[in-house]
Amino acid sequence: EAGVAQSPRYKIIEKRQSVAFWCNPISGHATLYWYQQILGQGPKLLIQFQNNGVVDDSQLPKDRFSAERLKGVDSTLKIQPAKLEDSAVYLCASRGLLSTDTQYFGPGTRLTVL
Amino acid sequence: AQSVTQPDIHITVSEGASLELRCNYSYGATPYLFWYVQSPGQGLQLLLKYFSGDTLVQGIKGFEAEFKRSQSSFNLRKPSVHWSDAAEYFCAVAPPNQAGTALIFGKGTTLSVSS
Repeated sequence: EAGVAQSPRYKIIEKRQSVAFWCNPISGHATLYWYQQILGQGPKLLIQFQNNGVVDDSQLPKDRFSAERLKGVDSTLKIQPAKLEDSAVYLCASRGLLSTDTQYFGPGTRLTVL
Repeated sequence: AQSVTQPDIHITVSEGASLELRCNYSYGATPYLFWYVQSPGQGLQLLLKYFSGDTLVQGIKGFEAEFKRSQSSFNLRKPSVHWSDAAEYFCAVAPPNQAGTALIFGKGTTLSVSS
């Protein structure tokens, strides 16, 4: 079974530029998450989708971050404009619908903002 | 507010020695509990999880964890550490019986293994 795929794996940009990350979840997983992991901290939820609807985006900085999940499968996370403090690893995860289903994580995208 | 505390930022253990990583949580009810491991450049891999029942949970790679309600703890253990266990370990919680709710993570413990 293929895991959660993410691209790119690494990205370096200058502040005020824009960047986009892509995630392909495990086939059949209805729920998709984007987490932000700043160096030295645990992952923190940015946004959660179920199918193509947003379940929780309360911690997403909406003035600069946006995300979509078209057709309930792949998802993109965009930052525009980027700030220095956005330097982090962006993790995508997916899971099935049962409360006891495991959440599977992709390898992440490491973003460096200069 | 819900929170997870991992008191040890960095632990060094000799290869072959036993390991215990601590995790305490603050939650209204007994949450679902998880331990994940993250190797450099890799995503998070689930080691084990606790939902209910037997408080001693067995996981992959020889890890186990014990849930202690009275101490709000879910400590991770391994009887004999291998060099390949060097990684970052995260404890996480989720509200029980709420399908799909995101995980709340601790800050992680970095494990180094000395020869």
